[in-house]
This record gives sequence, C-alpha cells and structure tokens, in this order.
Amino acid sequence: RKEVEQDPGPFNVPEGATVAFNCTYSNSASQSFFWYRQDCRKEPKLLMSVYSSGNEDGRFTAQLNRASQYISLLIRDSKLSDSATYLCVVNLSNTGKLIFGQGTTLQVKP
Amino acid sequence: DTAVSQTPKYLVTQMGNDKSIKCEQNLGHDTMYWYKQDSKKFLKIMFSYNNKELIINETVPNRFSPKSPDKAHLNLHINSLELGDSAVYFCASSQGRGLALYNEQFFGPGTRLTVL
Repeated sequence: RKEVEQDPGPFNVPEGATVAFNCTYSNSASQSFFWYRQDCRKEPKLLMSVYSSGNEDGRFTAQLNRASQYISLLIRDSKLSDSATYLCVVNLSNTGKLIFGQGTTLQVKP
Repeated sequence: DTAVSQTPKYLVTQMGNDKSIKCEQNLGHDTMYWYKQDSKKFLKIMFSYNNKELIINETVPNRFSPKSPDKAHLNLHINSLELGDSAVYFCASSQGRGLALYNEQFFGPGTRLTVL
C-alpha cells in the first residue's frame, strides 16, 4: 500500500466549478500535512498547510481527518490558472522527510 | 534573485558515465534536500543535509553521493549512470531542521536527466 494515495485524475472541470480532491495516508504517526501544487514541467510549490481544525485560504479549503487518515482540498470558483497537479504531502517526523502522493491533475476548461 | 537554483537544467549522457548536479540556495536556510521524480511523477526524497550534516539517507544506490561544502550548497554526484536513473532531480531547502513541523520546503527548478 502506498504511504500517500491520491486519485491521479485527470479532473476536467469548467471555469467556475467547485472541485474536491481527497488523499489518504497510511501512517497514523504522521505529524503534519500539506498540499503542494506542481505546474507542468515545473517544481512543486507549497499551496497550503493543512491543520487539524481545517483551514481556508481564499478559494481553497483544506481539511484533515486524523481518525480516517484522509486529507481533502476544495477549490471553489475554479480559474483556468488553477490547472495543475495537486500533490498531497505528509511529514512523518521532525526531520523534514516529506512523503508525496502521486498527485491529482486538474484541468480547468473555459 | 533565484531562491533555489540548480545546474544544469538538462543533462543527457551515456550509461556508465559519472555526472554531478549542483544546487545552491540564497535563502539562508539550514536544511537542503535532494528528491527524485520518476516518469510516474512520484516525488521521493533521497537525502537531506542540515548544516552540512547528513540527516536523511533513504535507500538509494551508493552510486549516488551527496556533498555539502557549506549550508548553502548541496551537490549530487552520480557514478556509473544507469537507464533507470533517468528522472527529474529536484533540490529543495527549508529553514530549520524540520523540528517546526510546518516548515515550507522551497524547490529548485529541477534537473532533467536522461541516460541513453
């Protein structure tokens, strides 16, 4: 079983749609959680951290369910510029060792 | 004013050769990392250095050797390149040793290695 699992997609949605991605992780000792964004042929960049109480940043909302070991990302009012691969990331320990999911590809169409 | 830079951006080489990839960060961070992203897009950590000390050493072939001359630089040397080494290699850096669990990692633009 992969340590971090995501549906690779692609998710094809029209502009303005709301889209949600889920991710599950296998290690219950995981300590911190993130969503990174990676554009085609570019480096990953932090989109947002995911806190236990859930958090929002503009059109983006992240939630964490430790009991079920899953993380979600909700994108409201999708823009063309949201087209990218979204990587679910888990930090197992305090060494900075990040475990990345395969990523979910989002394509927002006009 | 690039934060994390890598050279070269592209590297095409024959099997059996030895090559190096260089990474530099000007963010003043203490910790640097090397990741490999394979053709299936999985990004996996290989090594991490904190202030020139190796703190993460994943199960990678010993043909891969990281070197950190100072905390702003982390180079990756690969001996006897194999076809399976073809991938994109990303360098990253973060502040602190990761003790603050939410330290952001900043990635370089990647080095696309193709082994023929």
